[in-house]
Amino acid sequence: NAGVTQTPKFQVLKTGQSMTLQCAQDMNHEYMSWYRQDPGMGLRLIHYSVGAGITDQGEVPNGYNVSRSTTEDFPLRLLSAAPSQTSVYFCASSYVRGGVNEQFFGPGTRLTVL
Amino acid sequence: GEDVEQSLFLSVREGDSSVINCTYTDSSSTYLYWYKQEPGAGLQLLTYIFSNMDMKQDQRLTVLLNKKDKHLSLRIADTQTGDSAIYFCAESTGFQKLVFGTGTRLLVSP
Repeated sequence: NAGVTQTPKFQVLKTGQSMTLQCAQDMNHEYMSWYRQDPGMGLRLIHYSVGAGITDQGEVPNGYNVSRSTTEDFPLRLLSAAPSQTSVYFCASSYVRGGVNEQFFGPGTRLTVL
Repeated sequence: GEDVEQSLFLSVREGDSSVINCTYTDSSSTYLYWYKQEPGAGLQLLTYIFSNMDMKQDQRLTVLLNKKDKHLSLRIADTQTGDSAIYFCAESTGFQKLVFGTGTRLLVSP
């Protein structure tokens, strides 16, 4: 199993450009999430999905779109990149067993917006 | 709203015990978690504790939960240089969502 994969690993964008961060998992997990990690602020939830076709907003959704057409894939779209979106982005998938929600994280995408 | 706080930095010597603290605000949290992030990598689940437990031991790791004070701690016995990482506590809230703390960077010196 590859687990959770993310592409690209690094990306530099200019202000106003759009792009899609890819995330895929091969563990057949129902739940998937996108987080951003900024220094001193921990991880903040951007969007999440509880199954194919179902998505919802997290703590910091503005400027990002998601869709979940399959169980495996959960892409994150930046509509018009801004310098405030410079961050490290993590995708996670999870399952719940006995009430315990164990999240499996991808290696991250480091994004710089100039 | 939910808020999870941790101190930002902890430095210990190899062989000492490390104690990383966390406070949370949501009293309805069912499980609380500790994750570890090594440099350049994503987070990995270390351990978790159910909210009706006071303590959980898992090899070198001991988790203590004071539900009245909403305080969670992670003790690492015999800390090794390989334990150097960022440690995040997290609480489960609502429908399968986790709220993470700011992370504590643990530095272990030889």
